[in-house]
Amino acid sequence: DIQMTQSPASLSASLGETVSIECLASEGISNSLAWYQQKPGKSPQLLIYGASSLQDGVPSRFSGSGSGTQYSLKISGMQPEDEGVYYCQQGYKYPLTFGSGTKLEIK
Amino acid sequence: EVQLVESGGGLVQPGRSLKLSCAASGFTFSNYYMAWVRQAPKKGLEWVATISTSGSRTYYPDSVKGRFTISRDNAKSSLYLQMNSLKSEDTATYYCARHRGYPGYYFDYWGQGVMVTVSS
Repeated sequence: DIQMTQSPASLSASLGETVSIECLASEGISNSLAWYQQKPGKSPQLLIYGASSLQDGVPSRFSGSGSGTQYSLKISGMQPEDEGVYYCQQGYKYPLTFGSGTKLEIK
Repeated sequence: EVQLVESGGGLVQPGRSLKLSCAASGFTFSNYYMAWVRQAPKKGLEWVATISTSGSRTYYPDSVKGRFTISRDNAKSSLYLQMNSLKSEDTATYYCARHRGYPGYYFDYWGQGVMVTVSS
C-alpha cells in the first residue's frame, strides 16, 4: 500500500498569512493526488485534484503543486473560514489512501 | 444539486451485521463510480470500498475485504454497504462519496455521514 505522510500535524497562522502543508508519498504517484478540507462536524470537501487542478467553486487562494513523491497545498492569504483539518489522498492505485491530516488554526 | 443521504447506522454488537444505504440525487447515478469512506472518532479518513458504474467491479482495502460488500441499484440511484462480522475498530462515521469523473480516483461529493458504533 502507498503510505501518505503529511506535515506538519498542526499549525496556526495569522489572517492574511501564506500557509503550506506537505504530503509525502511512499512511492511515486504521478501527480495523482487530491487535497480535502474538513471543518468540525462537517463532511470533507475536495479542494484540489490531479495535484494542481482547482475543484469548481474553491477559492483561488488555494493551490497545489508537486511531483513524484512530494506534494504541497498552499493557502495564499489565510482567511477565518480556512480553519479546519486538511487531508491529502493518493489516487494512483488501490487501495486509495489518505494522509493523517493537518489541523490548521487561526493564530 | 448533488445530494447523497446515508442511512442505516446505529449501535450493533461485535460479530453482528449492518447494512448502510445511500440515496443519491441531482446527477446521473449510473455514470459514476461510488465509494464509502469512514472516519473513526477523532481520527482521519479511511477509504472502505468502491464500486464501478455497472457494479461489476469492486475494490476494498485489506481491513474490510471479505467482511464488507459494496453494491448499487442504478434504477433506484442507491448505494449500499453490507457490513458483516463487525469489530469494535469498525466504529466510525461512514460517508457515501462520489468518485470525480470516470473512472475517477478522488471524491468530489460526500454525504453528511452516518454513525456506526460496534459495542457490546
